[in-house]
Amino acid sequence: QKEVEQDPGPLSVPEGAIVSLNCTYSNSAFQYFMWYRQYSRKGPELLMYTYSSGNKEDGRFTAQVDKSSKYISLFIRDSQPSDSATYLCAMSGGDSSYKLIFGSGTRLLVRP
Amino acid sequence: GAVVSQHPSWVICKSGTSVKIECRSLDFQATTMFWYRQFPKQSLMLMATSNEGSKATYEQGVEKDKFLINHASLTLSTLTVTSAHPEDSSFYICSARPTSGTDTQYFGPGTRLTVL
Repeated sequence: QKEVEQDPGPLSVPEGAIVSLNCTYSNSAFQYFMWYRQYSRKGPELLMYTYSSGNKEDGRFTAQVDKSSKYISLFIRDSQPSDSATYLCAMSGGDSSYKLIFGSGTRLLVRP
Repeated sequence: GAVVSQHPSWVICKSGTSVKIECRSLDFQATTMFWYRQFPKQSLMLMATSNEGSKATYEQGVEKDKFLINHASLTLSTLTVTSAHPEDSSFYICSARPTSGTDTQYFGPGTRLTVL
């Protein structure tokens, strides 16, 4: 079993839809949770960063962390074609290695 | 803020030659930088952790003599692919963890290496 599970998609939605992306994890030591967006042939771009449980909102993006269920989500409101990309969840345990453990990424396609 | 650059963005080289890739944090200091490799339609694979002023820590299965890492300053890490072969062709991405602030990583734009 992988430490972080993420549905690879692809997920296809019409423009304006609300998108829900999710990851589950097995390591209860994880404390820092991130969502990255990666366009084809580009490096990942940090979208959201959350420490421990709770919600965080930034514009059209909302990140949720439920540590009791070991489940994190990213919601995108009013999705746009420019949101079409691969979304990677990542997490770390705050240990001295500072390594990030990534999900496999979900490909999102927003249709005009 | 939190910008990481990589140079070159793409490189084509002949088999047997060495290639150096630079990773710079432009507006913050990074004691720790990371080097990843990514194959098409796959997630990031961590190759090594680079700490300023000390030897890099390589992940299992990564040849340290083939992938030389130097982290000479708080804003620069380099990856040298020595005696490159076609199987080394890949997308190489670095990331930098700010010395102060949040426990996250900011990524460079990546370097596409093609070995002929």
